[in-house]
Amino acid sequence: SQTIHQWPATLVQPVGSPLSLECTVEGTSNPNLYWYRQAAGRGLQLLFYSVGIGQISSEVPQNLSASRPQDRQFILSSKKLLLSDSGFYLCAWSGSGRSRGYTFGSGTRLTVV
Amino acid sequence: SQKIEQNSEALNIQEGKTATLTCNYTNYSPAYLQWYRQDPGRGPVFLLLIRENEKEKRKERLKVTFDTTLKQSLFHITASQPADSATYLCALDMYNNNDMRFGAGTRLTVKP
Repeated sequence: SQTIHQWPATLVQPVGSPLSLECTVEGTSNPNLYWYRQAAGRGLQLLFYSVGIGQISSEVPQNLSASRPQDRQFILSSKKLLLSDSGFYLCAWSGSGRSRGYTFGSGTRLTVV
Repeated sequence: SQKIEQNSEALNIQEGKTATLTCNYTNYSPAYLQWYRQDPGRGPVFLLLIRENEKEKRKERLKVTFDTTLKQSLFHITASQPADSATYLCALDMYNNNDMRFGAGTRLTVKP
């Protein structure tokens, strides 16, 4: 069966520090991968998606970046965090058909202080 | 502008009643519409998908309708239980784009 792992679960980082969140998927190949952010009481905002290794599409031009160094690994990064980067970050994967919906990771609660 | 609106931020109902949640959208042409459940501090969990050419889809106590003319989906939970308390998100899948757009969600509370 397919599983998705996301870590860390919580993170407190000072303003200006770097960020690296990692997401890996098991049990499938060539998944579509996504990074979403959810602010308190708001909907999910798509940040990046990837349909293959090295293929990244950005939806939000901010100080965040994403990389996909391996088929089932998706990394969200920042060189310098801002206070506004605080939020709940979710990784998700889907098959090419998407008839089964998206499968989300357990999320990372990021607080920038 | 493009919008996805879920009828209310919060909905309170009594156990055993039917909960009805609404998702309206403007300036989108989704191929699919999906519903997710999200518990506090957790990632959303996929519940149901309905295609643009389908009117209704059922799964156990859940029923989803999709009206592309009204640009609206209704999500029903029959014989609701306190365990159904959660936030429910609708999502539009445009298919031609590799992304999905989510509504802000409706927080459902089922009281015993």
